[in-house]
Amino acid sequence: EDQVTQSPEALRLQEGESSSLNCSYTVSGLRGLFWYRQDPGKGPEFLFTLYSAGEEKEKERLKATLTKKESFLHITAPKPEDSATYLCAVQVTGDTGRRALTFGSGTRLQVQP
Amino acid sequence: GAGVSQSPSNKVTEKGKDVELRCDPISGHTALYWYRQSLGQGLEFLIYFQGNSAPDKSGLPSDRFSAERTGGSVSTLTIQRTQQEDSAVYLCASSLDGDTQYFGPGTRLTVL
Repeated sequence: EDQVTQSPEALRLQEGESSSLNCSYTVSGLRGLFWYRQDPGKGPEFLFTLYSAGEEKEKERLKATLTKKESFLHITAPKPEDSATYLCAVQVTGDTGRRALTFGSGTRLQVQP
Repeated sequence: GAGVSQSPSNKVTEKGKDVELRCDPISGHTALYWYRQSLGQGLEFLIYFQGNSAPDKSGLPSDRFSAERTGGSVSTLTIQRTQQEDSAVYLCASSLDGDTQYFGPGTRLTVL
């Protein structure tokens, strides 16, 4: 069974204090790993897709990396507006072709001014 | 451009009633997904539509749940005889290439 585990569950940072969120996964075959941001009362907002080990993507203060077992979302010099829940999801290979995502439970990030 | 839209944004119903939730995907997206997000739970897959193919219903939790997609665009998720455990946020997503999924704002369903 495909599993995605995110840690920590919650993280509180001071503005400017860099940190990393972890997403470890166990899947039969990885087609893609996705990072989303979710604000309270809203739907997930797409951030990144990673397809192969060693791949990295960057957007503003965020950088996502991927290995064969886990992904990290690095947040550099965060600002209060980066406060949100960050979700990791995997899409697996296989013959179903449905491309449904399996999500982790998320990391709630709070950045204090 | 316009993103995925869902209606209603909130729905309060009584146990045993039927409800219909609507999703308008991004124009041109052939794949459409429904997910459910319960309090304290992660997002769980419900159903997937791809073009004119038969939908993948493998995530539906019971036969009280059904969905249809008309004209390859708008989709309706129907929950019959609602139960309190159906209370959740129902999220719709669409995809152009089968990879990146773009989510709507969700419908918060409360079953009293």
